[in-house]
Amino acid sequence: QVQLVESGGGVVQPGRSLTLSCAASGFSFNKYGMHWVRQAPGKGLEWVALITYDGKSKYYADSVKGRFTVSRDNSENTLFLQMSSLAAEDTAIYYCARDVSTRCRGDCPPDYWGQGTLVSVSS
Amino acid sequence: SYVLTQPPSVSVAPGQTARITCGGNNIGSKNVNWHQQKPGQAPVLVVYDNSDRPSGIPERFSGSNSGNTATLTISRVEAGDEADYYCQVWDNSGDWVFGGGTKLTVL
Repeated sequence: QVQLVESGGGVVQPGRSLTLSCAASGFSFNKYGMHWVRQAPGKGLEWVALITYDGKSKYYADSVKGRFTVSRDNSENTLFLQMSSLAAEDTAIYYCARDVSTRCRGDCPPDYWGQGTLVSVSS
Repeated sequence: SYVLTQPPSVSVAPGQTARITCGGNNIGSKNVNWHQQKPGQAPVLVVYDNSDRPSGIPERFSGSNSGNTATLTISRVEAGDEADYYCQVWDNSGDWVFGGGTKLTVL
């Protein structure tokens, strides 16, 4: 079955960097685009970034553009989110999620979601 | 950027029909997706491309989209349907947008 397991969250000081990982299993990872979506405590969902199945296209929310970088290693079935210049407003649970269909070019919604990893930015 | 507007809450009695709306400028020209999130859990996609259901989602969940409003309809509501529901669209510039979410309460 499809499994997505995020890791790498924790407490980090403002201005520092952190890299999240998402280990995928149970499907052909190299055929699916992947999303990062975050949820601040008690708040709604906020889309963060997307990378197409082949890694050739990447898209970012304005709130993270220039600070976050999404990447993937299809040989290791792993998705990454490198986050820099972190601020308090980046505090959230970060979810990775898979496209609903194969070989989408950024226009497919996510269907399967991981359980998330908590990032807390605090001094 | 594109804005999606949802009512903060909707209440319905068990066995009745719940309708959750998602408003946006000419949203009828876009494909709308709906995610369900129960407390302490990850979201689950329940409707995509306006009215399609992923495998495993009951037929009680359906969607429609026209003009400036998309609607998620849940028929024969059960206690287990109590959750937050989020609409989502792709705004054609590579950005995905979520609505603010609607808390469905089953009375």
